[in-house]
Amino acid sequence: DGGITQSPKYLFRKEGQNVTLSCEQNLNHDAMYWYRQDPGQGLRLIYYSQIVNDFQKGDIAEGYSVSREKKESFPLTVTSAQKNPTAFYLCATRRGTMWNTEAFFGQGTRLTVV
Amino acid sequence: AQKITQTQPGMFVQEKEAVTLDCTYDTSDQSYGLFWYKQPSSGEMIFLIYQGSYDEQNATEGRYSLNFQKARKSANLVISASQLGDSAMYFCAMREGGNNDYKLSFGAGTTVTVRA
Repeated sequence: DGGITQSPKYLFRKEGQNVTLSCEQNLNHDAMYWYRQDPGQGLRLIYYSQIVNDFQKGDIAEGYSVSREKKESFPLTVTSAQKNPTAFYLCATRRGTMWNTEAFFGQGTRLTVV
Repeated sequence: AQKITQTQPGMFVQEKEAVTLDCTYDTSDQSYGLFWYKQPSSGEMIFLIYQGSYDEQNATEGRYSLNFQKARKSANLVISASQLGDSAMYFCAMREGGNNDYKLSFGAGTTVTVRA
């Protein structure tokens, strides 16, 4: 089936540790995005990528890092520099070139710092 | 600066009635796209409707319609004949930046609760 796979669904991290959230897609979409959602709030853009080996910072990139070595994959690393990482993380993709193409979302990863 | 503003944090609507969710946006681009998404309590994001900045007619998709007022930079979502399953959080989003920048930004969302 075509789609976006985020793993793991739930993730627990100790303070001071780096963790990596996986996002894989087989939709052949150019653009990929990472968003953070805090309880009862909207989506805030962390990073986005339009092509392989290129990515841009979003509105809240501090404490996060990404890579885009393959078109299908856009992993997000939450570093120890991120002061409040507990949140729901959503990965999305878009075909990219057309204005009216909507974003497709994965099921999300809930990260909790313990 | 906030690009997408949704001023209604929460709304209640009676089943079978219509509800309007407000969205205003800020951009200096001439070309941009506006989207609405629904997020049920399960957390998934469901695409509802799209409006392009050059579209002359308001977009409609089934019970969803978009009241697009370009001069006011407003893109309100209207849900007609509300159903209990419409209870969810609704997000307005904007794609701007031209062909070489795919930035997609979201508003803070509006929680809709449909009452029987």
